[in-house]
Amino acid sequence: DAMVIQNPRYQVTQFGKPVTLSCSQTLNHNVMYWYQQKSSQAPKLLFHYYDKDFNNEADTPDNFQSRRPNTSFCFLDIRSPGLGDAAMYLCATSRDPGLSYNEQFFGPGTRLTVL
Amino acid sequence: RKEVEQDPGPFNVPEGATVAFNCTYSNSASQSFFWYRQDCRKEPKLLMSVYSSGNEDGRFTAQLNRASQYISLLIRDSKLSDSATYLCVVNSPSGTYKYIFGTGTRLKVLA
Repeated sequence: DAMVIQNPRYQVTQFGKPVTLSCSQTLNHNVMYWYQQKSSQAPKLLFHYYDKDFNNEADTPDNFQSRRPNTSFCFLDIRSPGLGDAAMYLCATSRDPGLSYNEQFFGPGTRLTVL
Repeated sequence: RKEVEQDPGPFNVPEGATVAFNCTYSNSASQSFFWYRQDCRKEPKLLMSVYSSGNEDGRFTAQLNRASQYISLLIRDSKLSDSATYLCVVNSPSGTYKYIFGTGTRLKVLA
């Protein structure tokens, strides 16, 4: 089945130790998104790619970086995780929003714990 | 004013009840509207897309009122399994490819 896959599902890291979260999709969607979601809050967009074009949100800390080496894969790098970065990280995809039926499809998320 | 606003609830309703959620959006140029369901510690899952005045899927009905800039979700004959957070999502006007999320409305269906 076509889907959005995230690995790992659970990640534990130490304060300041870099971590990379990965996302892959078999939907062949143009756009990929990374969201951070904390308890009882809405998902917060960190950045998104339209094909290879990278779009950073103004309030995304420099500590967060992303790479999209090809259509299928996208990575979230947290260079120096702080305690405040503990959250669920959601990857999502969508088709070209200029088309009809441009829903977002989410992966299962990676829950990050920072010790 | 937030771009997308929802009543956070919680809405506690008995099984079998009908419940309605409203969501307002601020950008009149918005084109696409969605309701997602999110269970605790899980990812959001698409419940319904709303592209014209509204649509129905079984017990769920979504309506769009462009003049008043709100979207509603009606759930009939509530089941225990409907307990979740319902997120209203609005696609920003074309060219930016972003989706704006409401904070979600929490529903608890009671036996």
